[in-house]
Amino acid sequence: DQQVKQNSPSLSVQEGRISILNCDYTNSMFDYFLWYKKYPAEGPTFLISISSIKDKNEDGRFTVFLNKSAKHLSLHIVPSQPGDSAVYFCAATTSGTYKYIFGTGTRLKVLA
Amino acid sequence: KAGVTQTPRYLIKTRGQQVTLSCSPISGHRSVSWYQQTPGQGLQFLFEYFSETQRNKGNFPGRFSGRQFSNSRSEMNVSTLELGDSALYLCASSPSSTSGEQYFGPGTRLTVT
Repeated sequence: DQQVKQNSPSLSVQEGRISILNCDYTNSMFDYFLWYKKYPAEGPTFLISISSIKDKNEDGRFTVFLNKSAKHLSLHIVPSQPGDSAVYFCAATTSGTYKYIFGTGTRLKVLA
Repeated sequence: KAGVTQTPRYLIKTRGQQVTLSCSPISGHRSVSWYQQTPGQGLQFLFEYFSETQRNKGNFPGRFSGRQFSNSRSEMNVSTLELGDSALYLCASSPSSTSGEQYFGPGTRLTVT
């Protein structure tokens, strides 16, 4: 049972435009969500997180939106840069469980 | 500060053998988690340790085990290897005893033949 789903395996965006990566979850007990970026031959790198008490969190070019009623979160990258080309994973956890559930990832390609 | 290190980086084993992978967390980090990454499956949670105690584990068979030492270094062991165990095994450490971001190592690529 895939509790965290990233339904788009890949996404291509022109440099300078907005990239929107989506993530859906099924477990209503999740209360903390994270996004990671992964380059080939490297481990994932933490990007941004959001607690369920918020609906938006911003960090530079990265913004995460959380819609609890829809059990949906999204990562917006504005403006997109070629260096953003990577695989993006969303992850979710329930506080106190120390267990993170990851989606299967979305491969973002930013075209110069 | 040095990042999370994992050894070895690459490993080839034969079915039926056992393997031990090692992870050294970032200095000061006491939480260590292990994940298995296979194509199309994303990262699957194996287990998490904090101060030598396993606090949670994922849905993997008992052939997968781990431990953490007093210096926070961690090892995972897979016994009686199967072809399906071929994967990238990632270790992540965290500075927090509660939920928070994790810092990943580069992984150990295990191939079972």
